[in-house]
Amino acid sequence: KNEVEQSPQNLTAQEGEFITINCSYSVGISALHWLQQHPGGGIVSLFMLSSGKKKHGRLIATINIQEKHSSLHITASHPRDSAVYICAANTGNQFYFGTGTSLTVIP
Amino acid sequence: KAGVTQTPRYLIKTRGQQVTLSCSPISGHRSVSWYQQTPGQGLQFLFEYFSETQRNKGNFPGRFSGRQFSNSRSEMNVSTLELGDSALYLCASSSPGASQYFGPGTRLTVL
Repeated sequence: KNEVEQSPQNLTAQEGEFITINCSYSVGISALHWLQQHPGGGIVSLFMLSSGKKKHGRLIATINIQEKHSSLHITASHPRDSAVYICAANTGNQFYFGTGTSLTVIP
Repeated sequence: KAGVTQTPRYLIKTRGQQVTLSCSPISGHRSVSWYQQTPGQGLQFLFEYFSETQRNKGNFPGRFSGRQFSNSRSEMNVSTLELGDSALYLCASSSPGASQYFGPGTRLTVL
């Protein structure tokens, strides 16, 4: 049983489309993280959430603590958004990771 | 400010050997975490160090160990290497309550 489930696993979108990636978790968390990983391995932390909603540029992350669910939205998607997006649940003493969503944005 | 650095970037070892990987955090960050990433298991948490003390540990065997020095630099060691230890090893540093900054990783190949 995976503590963190992400969907979809793969996503292809046309440039300009609105994208949503979903994350469900089964553990109690102190924070929920969204990470971006480009080919070559480098990981960037996009958001750290414990409640509500955060926005950074074209990226929006939301979390519903009661439902144990988080979403990452990308507005006006661009080919440079092509990457793997990983959700991670921080329990305070452990991190559990989703398997990632591979996003390809086509010009 | 310089980012998180990891050395070496690439490493090839044979089964049974041991390896030490190094991580230099962002200046001022006292927390360093280590992660293993493989195609089969994805990202997995190894351990976290804060002010030279191991604060949290993932579900890895005792062959995996680490330490942190007074300047916050951290090392992880894997003894008696197995083929399955081939992976990208990432470290990340942070300030308390803040997001983590990841290093570029060390790609370990065990032959």
